[in-house]
Amino acid sequence: SYELTQPPSVSVSPGQTATITCSGVKMGETFVCWYQQKPGQSPLLVIYQDTERPSGIPERFSGSNAGNTATLTITGTQAMDEADYYCQAWDSNTGVFGTGTKVTVL
Amino acid sequence: QVQLVQSGAEVKKPGASVKVSCKASGYSFPGYYIQWVRQAPGQGLEWMGWINSNSGAAKYAEKFQARVTMSRDKTTSTAYMELSSLRSDDTAVYYCARDTVALSGMDVWGQGTTVSVSS
Repeated sequence: SYELTQPPSVSVSPGQTATITCSGVKMGETFVCWYQQKPGQSPLLVIYQDTERPSGIPERFSGSNAGNTATLTITGTQAMDEADYYCQAWDSNTGVFGTGTKVTVL
Repeated sequence: QVQLVQSGAEVKKPGASVKVSCKASGYSFPGYYIQWVRQAPGQGLEWMGWINSNSGAAKYAEKFQARVTMSRDKTTSTAYMELSSLRSDDTAVYYCARDTVALSGMDVWGQGTTVSVSS
C-alpha cells in the first residue's frame, strides 16, 4: 500500500520557520493537502492542491510539491501553530494520510 | 453556515455493527463528496473512503472493503458510514468531511463520533 512518511516531530522558536516534509514515491503525480489538528479538535485544511490556501488560513502557511517530497512551511511561526500536521494524497482515488508531525513552538 | 453534524457516541460489543450519521447543512449536499476518516486513541488519521453524495457511488480503503458501507440520503442531506464485525481496534473517533468532486481537499469537518468497542 502507498505510504507517506513525515518526521515525527519538529521544534521551532516563535517567529522562526517550521518546515514539515512528506515523502512518497508518487508525490509528484498527485496533489497534496495539509491538515492541522489541535488536541481535542477536528482537523483543519490549511493547504490544498499543493500550494493553495483556503479562505481564512494565514499567509504564513505555504506548500510545495516536487519530486518525491511535499513540504509545508510555516513562516514566522506563532504559538497558536503548535499542533499535529498531516499530509494527504491520492493513489488511484484511494486516499492516504501521512504519519503526522507534531510541531512544538518552544 | 456550512456544517456537518455527526451522531453521538456509541459503545459496541465485539462483532456488532455501528452506523454513524453525518448531517450536512448550509450548502448543496449533492454537489460534494463526503469523506470518512478515523483516528484511534493517540494515533494518526486514517482514510476510510468517500461517497459521491449525488450518485451514491463509493470508494473504500482496501483495509475496510469487506466491512464498511457508505450511503447517503439526499432528501435529508445525510451521509452514513456503517462498519460491521467490530473489533477492539476499531475503537476510534470517526469523522466525516466535505470534499469537492475533484477531491481537492476536505474543507469542512464534522465534530467526530467516538466509537468504543469493548466486551
